[in-house]
Amino acid sequence: DARVTQTPRHKVTEMGQEVTMRCQPILGHNTVFWYRQTMMQGLELLAYFRNRAPLDDSGMPKDRFSAEMPDATLATLKIQPSEPRDSAVYFCASGLTRDGEKSNQPQHFGDGTRLSIL
Amino acid sequence: SQQGEEDPQALSIQEGENATMNCSYKTSINNLQWYRQNSGRGLVHLILIRSNEREKHSGRLRVTLDTSKKSSSLLITASRAADTASYFCATGYSGGGADGLTFGKGTHLIIQP
Repeated sequence: DARVTQTPRHKVTEMGQEVTMRCQPILGHNTVFWYRQTMMQGLELLAYFRNRAPLDDSGMPKDRFSAEMPDATLATLKIQPSEPRDSAVYFCASGLTRDGEKSNQPQHFGDGTRLSIL
Repeated sequence: SQQGEEDPQALSIQEGENATMNCSYKTSINNLQWYRQNSGRGLVHLILIRSNEREKHSGRLRVTLDTSKKSSSLLITASRAADTASYFCATGYSGGGADGLTFGKGTHLIIQP
């Protein structure tokens, strides 16, 4: 059963440290999303890629967050420097978007990285 | 900002009863989707209904969509303890700009055995 894999599952670190979260999308999926989930804000879209190209990162604080797809099997989300307000669960999701379609097709989520910044 | 808003925020029912959750949204959509999230896990896609559809079924799930009222409902029939989870609606925007999904804050459903 194909799954989106996220690592690490949990991360606790001190403010100011760099945090890197990794995601392996489902093989063959061409669209990858990063979301952040908090009790207050719910699920927020941070950035997404199609065919490894960034399409939208307007939901992401640009000064400290960066998202990349070094290759089709790996997506990364980095925070540098981290702050306590970044504490949240970060989800990666992948999907298959065909030519001419918008990327609001069903998405397959990983189990998230629970991040705590002290 | 949140596009969809689920109602109620929390729902507790007895096993075997039906559970109904509602979702309202604000803009024109391509489709509306429902997802389930178990505690500590990622979201799982349940069902997608397109903007030109009014009702869709999948097993014990029934989804309706009223684009004139910008609302949708999810009905789970004959609920089971395993249905305990949070349920989210998500909309795909039909206009220009970002074309990802926008999620509501969810309905937390508890099925009492």
